[in-house]
Amino acid sequence: DIQMTQSPSSLSASVGDRVTIACRASQSISSFLNWYQQKPGTAPKLLVYGASSLQSGVPSRFSGSGSGTDFTLTISSLHPEDFATYYCQQSYSTLRTFGQGTKVEIK
Amino acid sequence: EVQLVESGGGLVKPGGSLRLSCAASKYTFTSYTMNWVRQAPGKGLEWVASISSGSDYIYYADSVKGRFTISRDNAKNSLYLQMNSLRAEDTAVYYCARDYILDYWGQGTLVTVSS
Repeated sequence: DIQMTQSPSSLSASVGDRVTIACRASQSISSFLNWYQQKPGTAPKLLVYGASSLQSGVPSRFSGSGSGTDFTLTISSLHPEDFATYYCQQSYSTLRTFGQGTKVEIK
Repeated sequence: EVQLVESGGGLVKPGGSLRLSCAASKYTFTSYTMNWVRQAPGKGLEWVASISSGSDYIYYADSVKGRFTISRDNAKNSLYLQMNSLRAEDTAVYYCARDYILDYWGQGTLVTVSS
């Protein structure tokens, strides 16, 4: 199975900060990498698919980059509603796997 | 907008069985692969199983292989997860989600395995 490792596991940031979350795959997954946001008590929401394509309706302050094994999700300027947990997920293999999550908390 | 509504969760004893359903609406169900994803209390997301649009291709996570069965009824726009030989570690919120990129999710249904 392809293992997905996110870093950091959590971070504290302030409104307006630029935030970057990393995701590494245990083998090359080309650009088959998706990012999700989850707030407590709610279902995850797709933010970015194909490593860098923004899902419809997602604010442009979110962006994704990378290919092969290393990927990043960037929030250019943190808004109050962005405090949540973020997950990467690979859709290269038929056995989909998620990263362990990165919790973005208010500093 | 696309709607996915899960049902069938509840409390079950270890070794027991449960069948989850996911009712899909407001899109062409027959055109998309479907998935089950679960989340144990306080933990991260775990992909469980996927089924192609015509049920030709079915895949399972190692943790549920041989115990869970994913299926779909395209005439009823419905997805199912038959869960047998349930264990305490299967306790989780179970979500159905659409497509390879999991672009739409249901609200989830809680399965609790406990004696």
